[in-house]
Amino acid sequence: DAGVIQSPRHEVTEMGQEVTLRCKPISGHDYLFWYRQTMMRGLELLIYFNNNVPIDDSGMPEDRFSAKMPNASFSTLKIQPSEPRDSAVYFCASSRSTPPLTEAFFGQGTRLTVV
Amino acid sequence: GENVEQHPSTLSVQEGDSAVIKCTYSDSASNYFPWYKQELGKRPQLIIDIRSNVGEKKDQRIAVTLNKTAKHFSLHITETQPEDSAVYFCAARRLSGYALNFGKGTSLLVTP
Repeated sequence: DAGVIQSPRHEVTEMGQEVTLRCKPISGHDYLFWYRQTMMRGLELLIYFNNNVPIDDSGMPEDRFSAKMPNASFSTLKIQPSEPRDSAVYFCASSRSTPPLTEAFFGQGTRLTVV
Repeated sequence: GENVEQHPSTLSVQEGDSAVIKCTYSDSASNYFPWYKQELGKRPQLIIDIRSNVGEKKDQRIAVTLNKTAKHFSLHITETQPEDSAVYFCAARRLSGYALNFGKGTSLLVTP
């Protein structure tokens, strides 16, 4: 298995531009998580899905952030418009519900820089 | 929601010494406690986990202890090596259906 795949690995964009981050979870995993990592705030949960349905998006910072999961093998996190304070590493992770209490596998992350 | 506190934020030990990282959690319904290691520029990866029906778990030089009454759990690394240098994250979660809530991380430096 190739693991969780994220793209792009690095993204540099100008303030005000739209940014789309992509994630392919591990096949057979029914949970998908988006985390943001910064030095100040550590690993923050933004949103997670179960069977493609958003379960909890209370961690999404503001309306500029949106996430979708159109099918079991693909998810996007979009920021529009982007701001410098959105600069961070964004991780996607996936896990399965059976057997219960199993680990979450992380992708390589997308390092976003907004200038 | 769950709140996970982790201490210390940085830890420096000499090679061969032991390192201990401690975490507390707030949600008494949490029953899964993984530890992740993140090397510089890499993804977090699971190194050990413990479930609430167990008080201690060991894997070679790494051990985790859990005190459900006090709502705290700890990571113990013995005979540390330079390659143990990384950021370590604790996390807590209820049954499947809930996301992992992470501590802020501990930056461990093992000096030769």
